[in-house]
Amino acid sequence: TQLLEQSPQFLSIQEGENLTVYCNSSSVFSSLQWYRQEPGEGPVLLVTVVTGGEVKKLKRLTFQFGDARKDSSLHITAAQTGDTGLYLCATTFYGQNFVFGPGTRLSVLP
Amino acid sequence: EPEVTQTPSHQVTQMGQEVILRCVPISNHLYFYWYRQILGQKVEFLVSFYNNEISEKSEIFDDQFSVERPDGSNFTLKIRSTKLEDSAMYFCASSEGHSRSYEQYFGPGTRLTVT
Repeated sequence: TQLLEQSPQFLSIQEGENLTVYCNSSSVFSSLQWYRQEPGEGPVLLVTVVTGGEVKKLKRLTFQFGDARKDSSLHITAAQTGDTGLYLCATTFYGQNFVFGPGTRLSVLP
Repeated sequence: EPEVTQTPSHQVTQMGQEVILRCVPISNHLYFYWYRQILGQKVEFLVSFYNNEISEKSEIFDDQFSVERPDGSNFTLKIRSTKLEDSAMYFCASSEGHSRSYEQYFGPGTRLTVT
């Protein structure tokens, strides 16, 4: 089974700061989804990236898919307390079903 | 905005009992999934379902588990004889398709507690 790694595992920052979290694997992704999950709730889809090198923006969130399609990053500009949550990347490696990474738990302090 | 719904939100059951978790996927979606998340752990794939049959299942999805689409809207997960280690959040998801760019939309989950 292919694995997704995410870093950092935990991140605690002050409101207004910028941050980047990472998702990577030794294998090529067919596509990659980023989700945010709050305690006791289901993952909420943020974005899907498909093409190597692709950059997508969602308000203050910028998602990048690596050229080789083995890594992705999520950058948040001017973090707000409402950004607090567990950020998950997920993918389907070729021929396999959906795999989630372990997540980065972000805490944005006021 | 269409969403996946799940019932109940919380189910408590005794070890050895059968439970049925229910999901209503987004209406125009064709693929349905169950995942579980043990407290503090990763979201894990259990099973995918298309055209009224299982298309893929993980090693977690053993003989105690079954899925069904009993009518045009519901999608259920049955655990026949629950064990303590089945305690987890169970998430249903659905997607329009199964291509490399498909997106899965998740329900809010059912918290299953086995005592």
